[in-house]
Amino acid sequence: DGGITQSPKYLFRKEGQNVTLSCEQNLNHDAMYWYRQDPGQGLRLIYYSQIVNDFQKGDIAEGYSVSREKKESFPLTVTSAQKNPTAFYLCASSGPGPPPNYGYTFGSGTRLTVV
Amino acid sequence: GENVEQHPSTLSVQEGDSAVIKCTYSDSASNYFPWYKQELGKRPQLIIDIRSNVGEKKDQRIAVTLNKTAKHFSLHITETQPEDSAVYFCAASPNAGGTSYGKLTFGQGTILTVHP
Repeated sequence: DGGITQSPKYLFRKEGQNVTLSCEQNLNHDAMYWYRQDPGQGLRLIYYSQIVNDFQKGDIAEGYSVSREKKESFPLTVTSAQKNPTAFYLCASSGPGPPPNYGYTFGSGTRLTVV
Repeated sequence: GENVEQHPSTLSVQEGDSAVIKCTYSDSASNYFPWYKQELGKRPQLIIDIRSNVGEKKDQRIAVTLNKTAKHFSLHITETQPEDSAVYFCAASPNAGGTSYGKLTFGQGTILTVHP
């Protein structure tokens, strides 16, 4: 699956519930990213991590949390504080050095819907 | 931080025509500019990229041009085909190369429709 796997493909969240989106990569990439995609707004950065046990907020981090306990894994939790979580969530990873290593590899995405 | 503007938001062409999508960026430190194609319900796929030490790059029917002075770059698709229909995103990043992992800032996307 392109070396980076997201699960589940579809996820439904009830009001007030926390949900966790999984992202796993076997590309030996150091950096991992979470983006949110809404129609007409492109991809907006939620969180990113350049090394294990370290991560930084992106442009729209409020209502989200992440962890990076292993190089291969970068799960995203959508908390109840995120008031409008319905969107398509994309995980990506990248390596160091010049392209093509530098470029992103994307997962296939998780579509989250609030019910 | 970096801000990337992309135009047009939608583009409709006849099969065989050319399509051009333009992006501008704000951060003069950006030096890596990839373009991604995203088909409906699928992940974005890198189709071409350019670094700031190059003014133009071609790959078959696709080309990208970069004007660092004006801070804009463009995607050119010639002899368009129906399978080129998709959403196209431009992006910009600083610090390409070395041991840095410059995060990508994306444009808003262009929905390209190629009519048979």
